[in-house]
Amino acid sequence: DAGVTQSPTHLIKTRGQQVTLRCSPKSGHDTVSWYQQALGQGPQFIFQYYEEEERQRGNFPDRFSGHQFPNYSSELNVNALLLGDSALYLCASSFVQGADGYTFGSGTRLTVV
Amino acid sequence: QKEVEQNSGPLSVPEGAIASLNCTYSDRVSQSFFWYRQYSGKSPELIMSIYSNGDKEDGRFTAQLNKASQYVSLLIRDSQPSDSATYLCAVNRNYGQNFVFGPGTRLSVLP
Repeated sequence: DAGVTQSPTHLIKTRGQQVTLRCSPKSGHDTVSWYQQALGQGPQFIFQYYEEEERQRGNFPDRFSGHQFPNYSSELNVNALLLGDSALYLCASSFVQGADGYTFGSGTRLTVV
Repeated sequence: QKEVEQNSGPLSVPEGAIASLNCTYSDRVSQSFFWYRQYSGKSPELIMSIYSNGDKEDGRFTAQLNKASQYVSLLIRDSQPSDSATYLCAVNRNYGQNFVFGPGTRLSVLP
């Protein structure tokens, strides 16, 4: 039973560029949430997708956008990258009610130079 | 006041001792509570969930919840060096809502 898979594992981008991160949820999960984790901090909620719609959004600018596909996989897009966007981006999947907690992917380490 | 607070640590305990990790939350209507362990450079992994006041035990781990005090804790008995990691407290206001994470407490178990 595959867990949550994220790609790529590592990424280096230049300021001003755009990036797309991808996530496939755990089998049977229908909700995908994205978190940003800066070094030494807890994960910060970016947004959550369910039924191909953004259900909730954290305190992140519109440069951060996402998408969920019919097979429940998801993408996170970040435009006009800033140095401060350098972080570990975590995808977490769950059933819609999240009663059993999240299952996290291994993350994408984004470095903006 | 931050939504979920934890002591950042590091918390150092000798091997075999009990490690006690604490978490407070500000939203009184929070319904479910989770503890995640995160090794350096890795993603968080779920250790325990707790939903009702009282204690919940799973092997060497015990989660304690006191909703009146808005406090949740994690006890690790017979601590091992492999328990050295950052422990994240996560709080969920309601089913379907996003989880809010604390900053994490770094635990170091000394051989």
